[in-house]
Amino acid sequence: QKEVEQDPGPLSVPEGAIVSLNCTYSNSAFQYFMWYRQYSRKGPELLMYTYSSGNKEDGRFTAQVDKSSKYISLFIRDSQPSDSATYLCATPEKGGSEKLVFGKGTKLTVNP
Amino acid sequence: DTGVSQNPRHKITKRGQNVTFRCDPISEHNRLYWYRQTLGQGPEFLTYFQNEAQLEKSRLLSDRFSAERPKGSFSTLEIQRTEQGDSAMYLCASNRVEAEAFFGQGTRLTVV
Repeated sequence: QKEVEQDPGPLSVPEGAIVSLNCTYSNSAFQYFMWYRQYSRKGPELLMYTYSSGNKEDGRFTAQVDKSSKYISLFIRDSQPSDSATYLCATPEKGGSEKLVFGKGTKLTVNP
Repeated sequence: DTGVSQNPRHKITKRGQNVTFRCDPISEHNRLYWYRQTLGQGPEFLTYFQNEAQLEKSRLLSDRFSAERPKGSFSTLEIQRTEQGDSAMYLCASNRVEAEAFFGQGTRLTVV
């Protein structure tokens, strides 16, 4: 079992839809969680950074962490064609290098 | 632009040749990471520096790969005797301790 699992999709939605992207993780020691957005042939861009359980909101984006079920979610409200990208969840391994462990990424297309 | 800078953006090389990539991190970040990303996968950790010290290397990093970070500033990643399996996006990221990591745009390597 990979440490971070993410459904690779692809996911296609109409403009204006609410999008839900999800990851699960196996190691209960993970504490910080990040969502990166990656456009085709570009580097990952940090979208949201959360610590502990609960919600964090930033504009149209909401990140949610449920530590009891080891479940991470990213919600996008009023999705736009410019949101079309691959979304990667990640968490740093605690201690030492804190290197990031990534999910496979979910490819999202928002159709105008 | 004060983000993470990577050069070149794209490198095409013949099998068996050596290649070198450069990463300039965000100036106040003492940690620097190299990741490799293949199509349809999330980035995978290769190696990590804290200042000029290389503190961790992944088993993915064969003897043909070497990384340096002289003076704790920019870093280089060299691949000797390239193989077709080395074709991937090589990503550099930097951060401060226990803070979010920022990625560069990556160097896309194609081995023909």
